[in-house]
Amino acid sequence: GQQVMQIPQYQHVQEGEDFTTYCNSSTTLSNIQWYKQRPGGHPVFLIQLVKSGEVKKQKRLTFQFGEAKKNSSLHITATQTTDVGTYFCAGSLHDKVIFGPGTSLSVIP
Amino acid sequence: EPEVTQTPSHQVTQMGQEVILRCVPISNHLYFYWYRQILGQKVEFLVSFYNNEISEKSEIFDDQFSVERPDGSNFTLKIRSTKLEDSAMYFCASSDQGSGYEQYFGPGTRLTVT
Repeated sequence: GQQVMQIPQYQHVQEGEDFTTYCNSSTTLSNIQWYKQRPGGHPVFLIQLVKSGEVKKQKRLTFQFGEAKKNSSLHITATQTTDVGTYFCAGSLHDKVIFGPGTSLSVIP
Repeated sequence: EPEVTQTPSHQVTQMGQEVILRCVPISNHLYFYWYRQILGQKVEFLVSFYNNEISEKSEIFDDQFSVERPDGSNFTLKIRSTKLEDSAMYFCASSDQGSGYEQYFGPGTRLTVT
């Protein structure tokens, strides 16, 4: 079946450093979404990427969708303590949504 | 801002008992989902529901699980005979455009099976 993988599993950064998480799907995706989950919270939608090679920015966050639509990345520039949480990518196949295992980010002040 | 609500926030039940988890999706949304998340692990898709029927379900969603939209506002997940391994956080989500689009998650119900 379809699998979505993410690396790294954990990342500890000093506040102000950059952070990147990578997402890889075993199958070509029609689109990909990114979610953030704060500790003890629920997933919150960040963005959807649809087009091959698409790049979208939200303030310090940059999202990319690979040319083959099988991989994606999320890059955070100059992390802040408010960035702490787990970042999940999610791909959909028909009406089934497969989440990656997530990358947990901790930011040391 | 509209939000998805879920009740109860925490449910404790004995193994073998039936539980019903309730969700009120955002009112104009047409697509509904249940997910579960075992503590510290990833979010796992259980089922999607559209037009009053299941549109997709995962391997986890076996005969012990069922979903219903009993009226115009509630969306429920029933587990017929709970097992210890059903202990998890259960999230309901809704969307106005389908699985590939933004889903709004509820705060979750923590289910503890003893």
